[in-house]
Amino acid sequence: KQEVTQIPAALSVPEGENLVLNCSFTDSAIYNLQWFRQDPGKGLTSLLLIQSSQREQTSGRLNASLDKSSGRSTLYIAASQPGDSATYLCAVTTSGTYKYIFGTGTRLKVLA
Amino acid sequence: GAGVSQSPRYKVAKRGQDVALRCDPISGHVSLFWYQQALGQGPEFLTYFQNEAQLDKSGLPSDRFFAERPEGSVSTLKIQRTQQEDSAVYLCASSELGGAGDIQETQYFGPGTRLLVL
Repeated sequence: KQEVTQIPAALSVPEGENLVLNCSFTDSAIYNLQWFRQDPGKGLTSLLLIQSSQREQTSGRLNASLDKSSGRSTLYIAASQPGDSATYLCAVTTSGTYKYIFGTGTRLKVLA
Repeated sequence: GAGVSQSPRYKVAKRGQDVALRCDPISGHVSLFWYQQALGQGPEFLTYFQNEAQLDKSGLPSDRFFAERPEGSVSTLKIQRTQQEDSAVYLCASSELGGAGDIQETQYFGPGTRLLVL
């Protein structure tokens, strides 16, 4: 059974810092991995989707990497801003399925 | 354009009461998903529709939970005889195509319905 773990559970950093969020999964036979952002009282916003054949994806200040063989992904946020404060979730899908298996998330707070 | 909408946004129910949660997916989206998110946890899959067909309901926690999408657009998640453990945020998501297999696609999530059972 696929299990997804995110470390750390919570993180508080001063504005301007570069930071790394970690995601690990137990079954390397994934189809894709996606990072989401969740703001309080709101739904999930997709940030980056990495296909199983890819190693990384970039969007603005965000960079996500994927190492399937070791069952890990990282989300790198450069020059963090208070507006980045949110919960970040990673989710994987397995080949031939459509359901996301989510991690428990990392609650990020960027202090001004 | 319009995203996924859900109603009500908040629902307080007394234990034993029946509730119905509505999801309006993005127009034309084939796939529709329901997830349950307990406090401090990630969302967990409940059920999946492709058009009006419910192809997977393996995540529904008990037979008190029922979902339908009769015309392949709006979906309703119904919970009968609510229990305190049903308290959670219920998220709906839709995607353009048919889901599984070789299609890389994103699920677009609604804001969720926060259910509190007293």
